[in-house]
Amino acid sequence: QKEVEQNSGPLSVPEGAIASLNCTYSDRVSQSFFWYRQYSGKSPELIMSIYSNGDKEDGRFTAQLNKASQYVSLLIRDSQPSDSATYLCAVYSWGKLQFGAGTQVVVTP
Amino acid sequence: GAVVSQHPSRVICKSGTSVKIECRSLDFQATTMFWYRQFPKQSLMLMATSNEGSKATYEQGVEKDKFLINHASLTLSTLTVTSAHPEDSSFYICSARGGGRDTDTQYFGPGTRLTVL
Repeated sequence: QKEVEQNSGPLSVPEGAIASLNCTYSDRVSQSFFWYRQYSGKSPELIMSIYSNGDKEDGRFTAQLNKASQYVSLLIRDSQPSDSATYLCAVYSWGKLQFGAGTQVVVTP
Repeated sequence: GAVVSQHPSRVICKSGTSVKIECRSLDFQATTMFWYRQFPKQSLMLMATSNEGSKATYEQGVEKDKFLINHASLTLSTLTVTSAHPEDSSFYICSARGGGRDTDTQYFGPGTRLTVL
C-alpha cells in the first residue's frame, strides 16, 4: 500500500466550476499535510498547508482534513485555465514528505 | 519570503563527466535540504536528505558515491552527479525546510534539467 494515494486523473473541469481533489494517507500519526501544484516541466509550488481537522481557505482554494478518516482534499473554486496542472498531495511522515503520484487537472474553456 | 534558487537551470554534458548543481535558500536559513529526481510523467522521487554540517542520508537504491551531496552552510547545498551517464538524465529538484512559520513546510527550487549525451 502506498503511503499517499491520489487519483491520477485527468480530472476534466469546465471553466468556472469547482475542482475536487482527494487524497488518502496511511500513517495515522501524520500531523502536517500539504498541497502542491506542478505545471508541466516546472517544479512543485506550495498552495496550502493544513494541520488541523476541518477546512482551511485561501483565496479560491480550500483544503479539508479529516484525520480520523486519514483523508485530505483540495477544492478549487471558479476554476480557470491557468489551474490546469498536476496537484500533488504531500504528508509529513517519518521526517520527510511523502508525495502522492499527483492528480492532473484540465480546465476546459 | 521562502525562496529557493537552483543553478544551473539546465545542463547538457557528455557521458563520463561530473555535474554540480547548487541549491540556495535566499531569504531563510535551511536546516534541512532535500534532493529529488523526477522522470517524465512520474512523481517526485526523494534521493537524499541533508542537514547542515552533517552527512546526507540517502534513500534506498540511491548510490551515495555517485550522487555526492554537500550541505556546507545553512543556505547552500550542492549535488554532484559523478561520472554521469545517459540514464542519469532527469529533472533534479531541491527543496529546503526551515523557513517561514511552519518548519515542516518544504519550499522547492525551480529545478535543474540534466541531459547526458
